[in-house]
Amino acid sequence: KNEVEQSPQNLTAQEGEFITINCSYSVGISALHWLQQHPGGGIVSLFMLSSGKKKHGRLIATINIQEKHSSLHITASHPRDSAVYICAVRSFAGNQFYFGTGTSLTVIP
Amino acid sequence: ETGVTQSPTHLIKTRGQQVTLRCSSQSGHNTVSWYQQALGQGPQFIFQYYREEENGRGNFPPRFSGLQFPNYSSELNVNALELDDSALYLCASSAPPGIRGNYGYTFGSGTRLTVV
Repeated sequence: KNEVEQSPQNLTAQEGEFITINCSYSVGISALHWLQQHPGGGIVSLFMLSSGKKKHGRLIATINIQEKHSSLHITASHPRDSAVYICAVRSFAGNQFYFGTGTSLTVIP
Repeated sequence: ETGVTQSPTHLIKTRGQQVTLRCSSQSGHNTVSWYQQALGQGPQFIFQYYREEENGRGNFPPRFSGLQFPNYSSELNVNALELDDSALYLCASSAPPGIRGNYGYTFGSGTRLTVV
């Protein structure tokens, strides 16, 4: 079993839809990251969370430490949001990083 | 302010050879971490360097080794290459864990290594 599980694995949405990507983890963490990876491999760090909620433009990330769960929301989705979204956690001990396998999002005009 | 630069962008090596990948960190960042991403998979953590010392390691064999230099740039070395080492290798820099203002990581675009 992976330390980080994401769902769904693949997601297709119509432009304008509200999108939610979920992440569950099984290890104690010091921080959780949401990453965006475009074709070709380049990765952008979207959020780093240790508690609560963060918002950046149309992106919102939440984390529930007790439930070991985080969500990434995209409001008013746009075709340029099409990418793979990866959840990653840094373990509380040992500076280990664990990654989910990613959610491939396609937003159709 | 520059981002993270990785070189080379693409590389083809033969099984059994050795390879060195390079990464420059973002200005102000003194922690560098390396990841291996196989096709269709999420990245896997290889190791992290802080102040020129390894301070975290994932489940990779000793033939994966690294260095960090005084200017915080870093190298990933892989000896005795195997076919399964074919992957995208990503480098990320960050401020030290726990330091105020550390809001995330800056990733490079990666080096795509093919072992034949």
